[in-house]
Amino acid sequence: ETGVTQSPTHLIKTRGQQVTLRCSSQSGHNTVSWYQQALGQGPQFIFQYYREEENGRGNFPPRFSGLQFPNYSSELNVNALELDDSALYLCASSLPGSGGEQYFGPGTRLTVT
Amino acid sequence: QQQVKQSPQSLIVQKGGISIINCAYENTAFDYFPWYQQFPGKGPALLIAIRPDVSEKKEGRFTISFNKSAKQFSLHIMDSQPGDSATYFCAAKGNQGGKLIFGQGTELSVKP
Repeated sequence: ETGVTQSPTHLIKTRGQQVTLRCSSQSGHNTVSWYQQALGQGPQFIFQYYREEENGRGNFPPRFSGLQFPNYSSELNVNALELDDSALYLCASSLPGSGGEQYFGPGTRLTVT
Repeated sequence: QQQVKQSPQSLIVQKGGISIINCAYENTAFDYFPWYQQFPGKGPALLIAIRPDVSEKKEGRFTISFNKSAKQFSLHIMDSQPGDSATYFCAAKGNQGGKLIFGQGTELSVKP
């Protein structure tokens, strides 16, 4: 069974640029959630995708957007990057009806300069 | 009301000792309470989880104690080992949607 994978591992961008992060869910998991983890903090929920539709969103501005594909993989797009966007971006996959069990990938470390 | 408060921020325990991390919540709609373990440079790994219809759940050296009336839950790590040194996060999920709300984390160091 393949776990959650994310790419790239690390990324450095300049303020104002746009970035796309990718996630492949664990085998059989059709729900993907994205979280932002600032240094020394707990993860913060960005949004969740189920059946290619956004299924809940946290307190993040519209420049954070996402997609889910028919194979359940997902993308997180961030436009107009700000310095505060520097963080570890985590993807988690789950099965609906699993009662909440979410399995995280290794994350993408984004640095905005 | 959506917050989960975790304490202590850091914890030092001797090898073989018991590590105890506490969390408190306000929202009575939460129905799932997991604990995650995170090593530096890695994503959080699901350790153990509990639902509010039970007061305790044990898996190996890890135990969750849950007090519904006090809206508190805690993680106990028995016979703590240096390999347990990591950051631990409690979390909670409401009965609608998949949003996990995390505590601030506890950095555990187990000294040999």
